[in-house]
Amino acid sequence: LAKTTQPISMDSYEGQEVNITCSHNNIATNDYITWYQQFPSQGPRFIIQGYKTKVTNEVASLFIPADRKSSTLSLPRVSLSDTAVYYCLVGERSGSGGYNKLIFGAGTRLAVHP
Amino acid sequence: NAGVTQTPKFQVLKTGQSMTLQCAQDMNHNSMYWYRQDPGMGLRLIYYSASEGTTDKGEVPDGYNVSRLKKQNFLLGLESAAPSQTSVYFCASRGTSLSTDTQYFGPGTRLTVL
Repeated sequence: LAKTTQPISMDSYEGQEVNITCSHNNIATNDYITWYQQFPSQGPRFIIQGYKTKVTNEVASLFIPADRKSSTLSLPRVSLSDTAVYYCLVGERSGSGGYNKLIFGAGTRLAVHP
Repeated sequence: NAGVTQTPKFQVLKTGQSMTLQCAQDMNHNSMYWYRQDPGMGLRLIYYSASEGTTDKGEVPDGYNVSRLKKQNFLLGLESAAPSQTSVYFCASRGTSLSTDTQYFGPGTRLTVL
């Protein structure tokens, strides 16, 4: 299983763009990169998933360089409600015949200030 | 469509007592997971199940047992509770669509062992 490394914490201000980078040096060919968000007293929820290059949805963008050894979650114009813990996971997609085990790291605590 | 539900929401046990945490999903997902989250920490995988009738150990399985007799249910048992098992327990199921492979989390069970 590919291990991930993220910053422990980050601070930002309302209206700014926030970029959280995750390192996954031993990512395997079949692995996808997935980001989750967790608010206090709630279970994590899916944000975005990608394999290579760039993926964008209504919430965030995910940038993955060609070597795929890292990825960057980009949150545009954050608000106070984006204060949460963000987790980066690497693993094969379900049903591909590979691992079903998914490991969460410690995550990145993002604090957005007024 | 309730998603992932967990019962109970809160539980207090005395050391040595046993109990079962229940998890149910109505999304017809094959894979299900049990995690624990200690205060200020990330999620740690206890057990997972790739399909009905199969289970595998995660990172921290000691002191726990699981059962996946039905596809929609994944049970987590504590045979003899210890204070070190005080934590929030999250259950998740995993599903794959055309574009994403996502874990859906329940609201959590807050367990205190005295």
